[in-house]
Amino acid sequence: EIVLTQSPDTLSLSPGEGATLSCRASQSVSSSYLAWYQQTPGQAPRLLIYATSSRATGIPDRFSGSGSGTDFTLTISRLEPEDFAVYYCQQYGSSPRTFGQGTKVAIK
Amino acid sequence: QMQLVQSGAEVKRPGSSVKVSCKASGGTFGTYGVSWVRQAPGQGLEWMGGIIPNSDSGTHGRRFQGKVTITADASTSTAYLELTSLKSEDTAMYYCARDRYLGHSDIWGQGTMVIVSS
Repeated sequence: EIVLTQSPDTLSLSPGEGATLSCRASQSVSSSYLAWYQQTPGQAPRLLIYATSSRATGIPDRFSGSGSGTDFTLTISRLEPEDFAVYYCQQYGSSPRTFGQGTKVAIK
Repeated sequence: QMQLVQSGAEVKRPGSSVKVSCKASGGTFGTYGVSWVRQAPGQGLEWMGGIIPNSDSGTHGRRFQGKVTITADASTSTAYLELTSLKSEDTAMYYCARDRYLGHSDIWGQGTMVIVSS
């Protein structure tokens, strides 16, 4: 099973600042099979990024993804109030599909 | 825009079973798959398994062996998650999600809360 470790656990930032979230895999993940999701309290997860760097439908361009092999990054260029949430990475190229433990982006 | 509509919250006794449904509204599953994801209270996301409704081939993670059965009815675009021998640790929100061609989940149901309590 591929273990995904996200860092940091919590990121405390102010609106307008940029955020960089990391996801490290225990073994190599094809770039086609790495996604990022956003979850706000009481809501279902929402797909942000798939195939490492492709934005899902309707996702603003302040969200971007990058990486390869075992190291992947989600970047939020300028935090809007609605971006304060928990973010999960997921690999779906190997069974079982696995998620990282999540990074909470909190208001400073 | 297609939506996934899940069945309502359940309260179950330990040792019993529960079956959660996930129906596609405003569209069909087509050739896409459906995943089931669990989220225990205050915890992260855990993939349980999935199915391609038109091919009827369900799969689940090894840790859910004997606990989970995933089925689907392509004619009604409905997927099902059955959990057996429920324990308090099965108390969680259960989400279904549509899987696109690579396997990423682009549409999620609203979630079904299952509470296991004596």
